[in-house]
Amino acid sequence: EAGVTQFPSHSVIEKGQTVTLRCDPISGHDNLYWYRRVMGKEIKFLLHFVKESKQDESGMPNNRFLAERTGGTYSTLKVQPAELEDSGVYFCASSQVRGSGNTIYFGEGSWLTVV
Amino acid sequence: QKEVEQDPGPLSVPEGAIVSLNCTYSNSAFQYFMWYRQYSRKGPELLMYTYSSGNKEDGRFTAQVDKSSKYISLFIRDSQPSDSATYLCAMNELDDKIIFGKGTRLHILP
Repeated sequence: EAGVTQFPSHSVIEKGQTVTLRCDPISGHDNLYWYRRVMGKEIKFLLHFVKESKQDESGMPNNRFLAERTGGTYSTLKVQPAELEDSGVYFCASSQVRGSGNTIYFGEGSWLTVV
Repeated sequence: QKEVEQDPGPLSVPEGAIVSLNCTYSNSAFQYFMWYRQYSRKGPELLMYTYSSGNKEDGRFTAQVDKSSKYISLFIRDSQPSDSATYLCAMNELDDKIIFGKGTRLHILP
């Protein structure tokens, strides 16, 4: 069974440009999460989808970040316009069961560098 | 005060030694406690999971939670070079938002 897949694995863009990250969760997982780790900091929660609905987006840093999950399958996270402080690794995760951490599976991350 | 404190290391120990990793936290509402292992350029992989206080053992790994002290530990027995990775403590309440520590970089020296 395929794990959580993220694309692109690496991206280098200039400040002010737009980047779209994609996540394909494990098949059948209704819950999809985005986390990110910026340099020197801990991994932080961004948002949580249940199917196509945003369950919790309290971790989204500002309105330059837009996450979508049309049809409740894959998800995209768009950063527009990108700023230098957006550099880091963006992790997607999925789970079948809600409410606990033991069933959450992480992808390998999309490494974003804004120059 | 950060919600979860974890010494980033690096921690270097000889092969075969017992490794002790730990975290402290401030939020008494945390109920689920986890340890993730992360290899370089990979995503976090769940290693151990404990609900509330107590111990849990899985092979060479033992996780301990002391809610009265707000302190969690991970012990690795008979450490192997393949255990070299970053170990992240993580925890959450009765919701889906996981709070991570910064991670401790561990090196097992052959």
